[in-house]
Amino acid sequence: AQSVTQPDIHITVSEGASLELRCNYSYGATPYLFWYVQSPGQGLQLLLKYFSGDTLVQGIKGFEAEFKRSQSSFNLRKPSVHWSDAAEYFCAVGPIQYGNKLVFGAGTILRVKS
Amino acid sequence: DGGITQSPKYLFRKEGQNVTLSCEQNLNHDAMYWYRQDPGQGLRLIYYSQIVNDFQKGDIAEGYSVSREKKESFPLTVTSAQKNPTAFYLCASSQRTGASEQYFGPGTRLTVT
Repeated sequence: AQSVTQPDIHITVSEGASLELRCNYSYGATPYLFWYVQSPGQGLQLLLKYFSGDTLVQGIKGFEAEFKRSQSSFNLRKPSVHWSDAAEYFCAVGPIQYGNKLVFGAGTILRVKS
Repeated sequence: DGGITQSPKYLFRKEGQNVTLSCEQNLNHDAMYWYRQDPGQGLRLIYYSQIVNDFQKGDIAEGYSVSREKKESFPLTVTSAQKNPTAFYLCASSQRTGASEQYFGPGTRLTVT
């Protein structure tokens, strides 16, 4: 069955430090992969997506992610974290069965310390 | 501006009452989805609809019902049969075919006491 694992429930980084959030997936074919961000009490905003082609994808707010098929991973990175990046981040994989259903990971809560 | 609206933002109900959450989109998307979010559990799919007048159960459909009479609207009813209805509910939409991300509404927090 398709699944997404985000091994880190919480991560704390200092402002200005680099960030890597891990995402591992289980999927039988070439997946579509997504990273979303959620501020408390808000909906999810798409950071970036991978459908095909270049395995290093750039997103909004200075984020990037690299698709590594051999490791079934799609880790999210940012070279320098800002206090406003504190939020919860979700990795998702699809499409599931018909249409564009997704399976989401449990999320990683990012805390930024000054 | 195109987007998804959910109303209300906060909803309070007494146990035993049915309650309907609204979701409207003007993105011209065929597919719409309802998720439930609980702390530490990510997003779990309740129902989804690929086209008007058709919908399918997701992973946790028990105690919920939906309708899809219009392309733009996909209301979710939380029935009294849902044993633990207090949660944050998110609506999303996407294109039905092809590579497409899901777009999310701002969510409705339902509290049942």
